[in-house]
Amino acid sequence: DVKVTQSSRYLVKRTGEKVFLECVQDMDHENMFWYRQDPGLGLRLIYFSYDVKMKEKGDIPEGYSVSREKKERFSLILESASTNQTSMYLCASSFSNYGYTFGSGTRLTVV
Amino acid sequence: DQQVKQNSPSLSVQEGRISILNCDYTNSMFDYFLWYKKYPAEGPTFLISISSIKDKNEDGRFTVFLNKSAKHLSLHIVPSQPGDSAVYFCAASAPGETSGSRLTFGEGTQLTVNP
Repeated sequence: DVKVTQSSRYLVKRTGEKVFLECVQDMDHENMFWYRQDPGLGLRLIYFSYDVKMKEKGDIPEGYSVSREKKERFSLILESASTNQTSMYLCASSFSNYGYTFGSGTRLTVV
Repeated sequence: DQQVKQNSPSLSVQEGRISILNCDYTNSMFDYFLWYKKYPAEGPTFLISISSIKDKNEDGRFTVFLNKSAKHLSLHIVPSQPGDSAVYFCAASAPGETSGSRLTFGEGTQLTVNP
């Protein structure tokens, strides 16, 4: 059974902290993505990556960075967490143009 | 600029009846459309898709219709079951070297099927 695993289901962090969200996939997929889900706004793309060490900005990259040192792992970094980054974060991977496999999500609360 | 729009935040239907979820898009380059279903505290899961060369795709109780001239697609669920209660996201992708694998999602519609 193919999987995308996000390291934490729930996180509570303080304003100004550096936060790492980890995502690992076991499907040998080239493409990996980070989205955030907010009520009324749907899923918005933060960053994505087509290959190791490669990254591209999505629609809302401000305040975030990413790292992809290995094919199976894609990390999202909040350099200095702020309360407006409280959200559900979803990682996904895909092999081709069509269709993602999502992780279960990380509910991040910044206080 | 919301390129994929789901105008109904919520929909409530009776068990056994038809559920119709709607989605509009503005980017004429989109050539592939997908529906995802999301339960609380879980990631979205793929439900059904349609290519722009078709106008209908069916999978069991789920049918997606695409009207390219109107830039509109809809998901029909017949008959609706209480287990279908979830948030449904419409998504679209455009061909191209860098955007080919990137999906643009709508805001989602919360479907509630009442027993």
